[in-house]
Amino acid sequence: GQNIDQPTEMTATEGAIVQINCTYQTSGFNGLFWYQQHAGEAPTFLSYNVLDGLEEKGRFSSFLSRSKGYSYLLLKELQMKDSASYLCAVKDSNYQLIWGAGTKLIIKP
Amino acid sequence: DVKVTQSSRYLVKRTGEKVFLECVQDMDHENMFWYRQDPGLGLRLIYFSYDVKMKEKGDIPEGYSVSREKKERFSLILESASTNQTSMYLCASFGGRASGANVLTFGAGSRLTVL
Repeated sequence: GQNIDQPTEMTATEGAIVQINCTYQTSGFNGLFWYQQHAGEAPTFLSYNVLDGLEEKGRFSSFLSRSKGYSYLLLKELQMKDSASYLCAVKDSNYQLIWGAGTKLIIKP
Repeated sequence: DVKVTQSSRYLVKRTGEKVFLECVQDMDHENMFWYRQDPGLGLRLIYFSYDVKMKEKGDIPEGYSVSREKKERFSLILESASTNQTSMYLCASFGGRASGANVLTFGAGSRLTVL
């Protein structure tokens, strides 16, 4: 079966750095997405990785290792507004998205 | 700004009622999706549509149907609502042909409670 694993909840301090991991087992791979979802709101796109390595976008970076079936989202200089759920999703060989359950990130002052 | 609008943010229905969830996008997107989101589970695909009048079953279509009469509108129908359909329903869309890099634009969600 296809599976995406990410931690259920993480806590971090304002101004710090946090890494949210995502591991996957899917039938084929056509890219990995990270979305951010604030409580009661729509998920919004953060990043897309299809090749191995690190993609940096401001305070957010996303890393992919296809051989390990592993990705992480790195958030630097955490702000209170970063409190949200972070969803990892992998596009399989049929271009269908498989979603993780999401990681709820709590930022403390 | 690209927009997906779900007409009802919160609904409360009784078991056995027929429920319509409406989704409209203003981006001329060909592809539209209905997901449900439950605590502890990833988004689960109910139905999707790649074109007007076209529909495909997702992973959990049982108890649901859809309608795509116009390109901009994709409706989810619960013929006879049951308590296990209490959930958050998310509509999403993307334009162009399916590829790895398609980014979904989501609506804000419709939270349905079935009593």
